[in-house]
Amino acid sequence: EVQLVESGGGLVKPGGSLRLSCAASGFTFSKAWMTWVRQAPGKGLEWVGRIRSKTNGGTPDYAAPVKGRFTISREDSENTLYLQMDNLKSDDTAVYYCATEGYVYGFHAVDTWGQGTLVTVSS
Amino acid sequence: QSALTQPPSASGSPGQSVTISCTGTSSDIGGYNYVSWYQRHPGKAPKVMVYGVNKRPSGVPDRFSGSKSGNTASLTVSGLRAEDEADYYCSSYAGGSNLLFGGGTKLTVL
Repeated sequence: EVQLVESGGGLVKPGGSLRLSCAASGFTFSKAWMTWVRQAPGKGLEWVGRIRSKTNGGTPDYAAPVKGRFTISREDSENTLYLQMDNLKSDDTAVYYCATEGYVYGFHAVDTWGQGTLVTVSS
Repeated sequence: QSALTQPPSASGSPGQSVTISCTGTSSDIGGYNYVSWYQRHPGKAPKVMVYGVNKRPSGVPDRFSGSKSGNTASLTVSGLRAEDEADYYCSSYAGGSNLLFGGGTKLTVL
């Protein structure tokens, strides 16, 4: 069974940093493009960014609101995805989900989602 | 880039059909056939109901169907059932490696 478990969320002050982790199991993590999606309170889903599989270059892409502040990385030997968030703003307050992208259902379908971890940016 | 536009709510009685729209631009929905629809019940992770505009994952009832016309994608749920009550989100590739989501539609089965 495919499973994605996020951790690392919490309360952080504006300007602070936080690193989220996503432990993957039940599929060949190294072959998967992985993506982060967030949902702010009362808002819709928002794509944060993705990282390609190593065989596809292992390169990341970021949404404009987080580019330059967030960094996505992966450790295939540990089946773990990371989201390093720096210079956090109140607008970054959201539940953050990790997910596979295009692994099962083709390009740019966000196939399997974790349960999410809450990040609150507040003084 | 702005989020895709969905109506905040939709409703129908059991057995009826309901269609949820998702409006974008020629740079996203209109430009690519990478539209997906997700169902999310409270407290649960989103589940893919349609991908590639009109493809259905195995296990998803054929009551769910997707389509696209110009810059607008649609999800139609036929033969509404109580368990279809959930939030529905659309997504589309938007070029430049970007992915856009809609704001979500709350479907109520009356």
